[in-house]
This record gives sequence, C-alpha cells and structure tokens, in this order.
Amino acid sequence: AQSVAQPEDQVNVAEGNPLTVKCTYSVSGNPYLFWYVQYPNRGLQFLLKYITGDNLVKGSYGFEAEFNKSQTSFHLKKPSALVSDSALYFCAVRDLNYGGATNKLIFGTGTLLAVQP
Amino acid sequence: SAVISQKPSRDICQRGTSLTIQCQVDSQVTMMFWYRQQPGQSLTLIATANQGSEATYESGFVIDKFPISRPNLTFSTLTVSNMSPEDSSIYLCSATSGGTINTGELFFGEGSRLTVL
Repeated sequence: AQSVAQPEDQVNVAEGNPLTVKCTYSVSGNPYLFWYVQYPNRGLQFLLKYITGDNLVKGSYGFEAEFNKSQTSFHLKKPSALVSDSALYFCAVRDLNYGGATNKLIFGTGTLLAVQP
Repeated sequence: SAVISQKPSRDICQRGTSLTIQCQVDSQVTMMFWYRQQPGQSLTLIATANQGSEATYESGFVIDKFPISRPNLTFSTLTVSNMSPEDSSIYLCSATSGGTINTGELFFGEGSRLTVL
C-alpha cells in the first residue's frame, strides 16, 4: 500500500536558520510526491511536487524539496526560515493503485513548523 | 490553477441535525473531492464527486451519512447527516483541473469547520 510518514509532529527553528521537515514514502513504482502547507484556519495550499526529472524541486515561498530514491525520502527545506512560515505542513503521495480517481492523494499526519523570532 | 470557495466557513450544529456545505470553483474542473480533517489529524478522503452521477465513496464513508451532489463541472455539495459530536471536523473541498489531472496536484478550498454539540 502507498503511504507517507512524517516522523516529527513539530519542528522548532529560529528565524533565519535553515529548516527541514521530513517525509518518507512507501510506494510501488515511481512516486508522485507533494508538499502542502496549511496556515491557521485556512485550507491547504500547494507548495511543490516531484513527478520526474531533477531530484531537487523548487516551489513556492522559497521552499524546496529533495527526492532521494535510495532513502525513500522527500524532505522539505528552506535555507532561511521566516516567522511567517509557521504553519502545518503535509507531505502527500499519489495513490497509483487507486482504481477510481487518478488524483487520490494519501496525506501524512502533518508536521507543525514553529519559527521563533 | 483554480480558486475554490466553500460555505459556510464554520458552523455550530446541534446533534441530530444535518448541514450542507457548498463548494464553488471559479473554472470548470475535471474532478472534485471531499476530504475530512479531524482535530489534530491528517486529511481523509470521503468521496469523489462525480458530475451527474452518484459519488464514489471511500471505505468507511456511506452515502446515507454523507450525500454528495455535483450537478455541473463547477459546483458540488456535501451534506453531513444526522450529526453527532464525532462529526466535528474541517471538511475540505478539492479539485483538479485539466492541467494537473495527470500529475495529481489538487487545489483546496479554505474548509468548513463544523462543531457539533
């Protein structure tokens, strides 16, 4: 079964420091991987995706993620954190075995990023 | 991209009542979905809203409890029937447009936060 794991419930980082939010995946075949962000009392916003090609994917708001096939990881990164980056971050994988909609996504449990000033 | 509007944004409901959530997309989209996000948890797909036909429900969700309509390509409703406190959640409408149907990227509404007393 397809799945993603976010091992950290919360990540704390000081403003200006680099941040990493971890995600590992388990899929059969080539994964389609996504990161979404949810600000308080808001819906999810798409950040970036990996489908194929370069392992380093750049997305919105200065975020990037590195696809690592050998480690089955897709960690989200940003070189310099901002207080405004504080939010809930979800990793997701497309369910390639889903016989219905081709766009069913399986979400991780989410990681709360707290950036201290 | 697609802009998705949901209403109500939040509501407080009494046990045993039903509430219908509306989802309007600003452009014609291929697929629409309804997700549930329970407090402190990840997103769970309830169903795929099919235009002009019955929705496709995920395991654990049934039409009697969560009837869904999708009369056209830009509008869908989700009803939460005979509510109990366990139905207190954020309900999220999502959609994919023609450019993203093959990659899996979803756009989300801001969610409808329901509290059942």
